[in-house]
Amino acid sequence: DTAVSQTPKYLVTQMGNDKSIKCEQNLGHDTMYWYKQDSKKFLKIMFSYNNKELIINETVPNRFSPKSPDKAHLNLHINSLELGDSAVYFCASTLAGGSKSYNEQFFGPGTRLTVL
Amino acid sequence: AQRVTQPEKLLSVFKGAPVELKCNYSYSGSPELFWYVQYSRQRLQLLLRHISRESIKGFTADLNKGETSFHLKKPFAQEEDSAMYYCALSGAGSARQLTFGSGTQLTVLP
Repeated sequence: DTAVSQTPKYLVTQMGNDKSIKCEQNLGHDTMYWYKQDSKKFLKIMFSYNNKELIINETVPNRFSPKSPDKAHLNLHINSLELGDSAVYFCASTLAGGSKSYNEQFFGPGTRLTVL
Repeated sequence: AQRVTQPEKLLSVFKGAPVELKCNYSYSGSPELFWYVQYSRQRLQLLLRHISRESIKGFTADLNKGETSFHLKKPFAQEEDSAMYYCALSGAGSARQLTFGSGTQLTVLP
């Protein structure tokens, strides 16, 4: 009964390849996120989707393309992988409330991407 | 722009000693502040939020708007508290995105 799951857990690939990371949540949430944790453990928001619509797109290279086929899934596709893409990628989800409410974000276990 | 600063990358204390993890923020509106924790090989999870004014696992954090700080404190550290701690801020907007600090790796020594 995992709340937020990601596949794969580990991904090792060569430079220039294209890869995808999948995220699924079974919490009935309507908002999902992708975060990147670099080698110094710094966490930064990449994308956010609400009801399958993109609402945040931080300064991320357009080689990164998120796709949300439905509210329960947010996948991340990366083209032409570079060495600097090596990081841990976390998916998270929440139920977006009203303007004065905050609902906890639930995180997936992370996907450790290593680009050789 | 919103920003969260955690000045200490690494912090070591002995078991039973008090611990304080510092967090300062910059935000023009009324922020919501949180502490998230990541234990070794586990996912990130919410520890506490300032709105709840709660104590979780002996940790407390008080929002000081004058000093724009949200330091995390525990009077007696335990070895199982060893983890990576992130201070985070949520501002206005429909996305409710979190801006994280750079994290503090806490090690509680026996």
